[in-house]
Amino acid sequence: ETGVTQTPRHLVMGMTNKKSLKCEQHLGHNAMYWYKQSAKKPLELMFVYNFKEQTENNSVPSRFSPECPNSSHLFLHLHTLQPEDSALYLCASRSNRALFYEQYFGPGTRLTVT
Amino acid sequence: DQQVKQNSPSLSVQEGRISILNCDYTNSMFDYFLWYKKYPAEGPTFLISISSIKDKNEDGRFTVFLNKSAKHLSLHIVPSQPGDSAVYFCAASVGQGAQKLVFGQGTRLTINP
Repeated sequence: ETGVTQTPRHLVMGMTNKKSLKCEQHLGHNAMYWYKQSAKKPLELMFVYNFKEQTENNSVPSRFSPECPNSSHLFLHLHTLQPEDSALYLCASRSNRALFYEQYFGPGTRLTVT
Repeated sequence: DQQVKQNSPSLSVQEGRISILNCDYTNSMFDYFLWYKKYPAEGPTFLISISSIKDKNEDGRFTVFLNKSAKHLSLHIVPSQPGDSAVYFCAASVGQGAQKLVFGQGTRLTINP
C-alpha cells in the first residue's frame, strides 16, 4: 500500500449504530487530519493530530470521537449520528518537516446515516 | 463566514483552449495558497502552490497567479486536456509552518472534446 488509505470506502449506518472509520498513511508523516465534505460545501477541518497528540478540534460534536494510536494510524469513532452527518469523510497527512504545506489525502469514506 | 470562495461552481472549456479557475479570499493574513484537484471516488491531490511573496508560479501546463491587493488567485491550464476534467479546490493557510488549510467549495471543470 502506498500513500493514504481509508477503510471502509462506503458505510451506511443507522442513528443508533456505532462504527469506526480507519485511516493509514504510508508516507512517514507525523501530522494527520480528518475533514468532512458535505455536498456543495468546502472541506471542513474536523481534527488535527501531531505526533499522536490532538492539536485541533474544530468544535466537532462529541458523537465524533477521534483516536490516533501512532503517527501512521487515525480512527474516527462514530456513535448516535444524525442524518445531517452524511458526508464524505477524508483523512489527510502531512510532514511537519515539509517545506511546503501540502497535505496528502486518502480516497475518503462515503458515510450515509439513515 | 467563508474565508476562501470559489464563486463558479462549474466551468466548461473546449479541449486545447485555456481554462481559468478563480478563487477569492478575505483573510489578509493568508500567506500560502494551494490548488488541489479531485477526481470522483478519489481524494484531492495537490496540484500547485504559491507563496504570498510571489505573484506567479508555473508548472508545466499549470500556472497560478496571485493578486494580493485584490485578494484573488487564479489557476490557468493551457492547453486544456480531457484528463483535466475534475473538481478543483483552492486552499489557503496562515503563518510559517501553519498546518491548517482553509478550502473553497470547489469548481467542477469539464473539458469538452
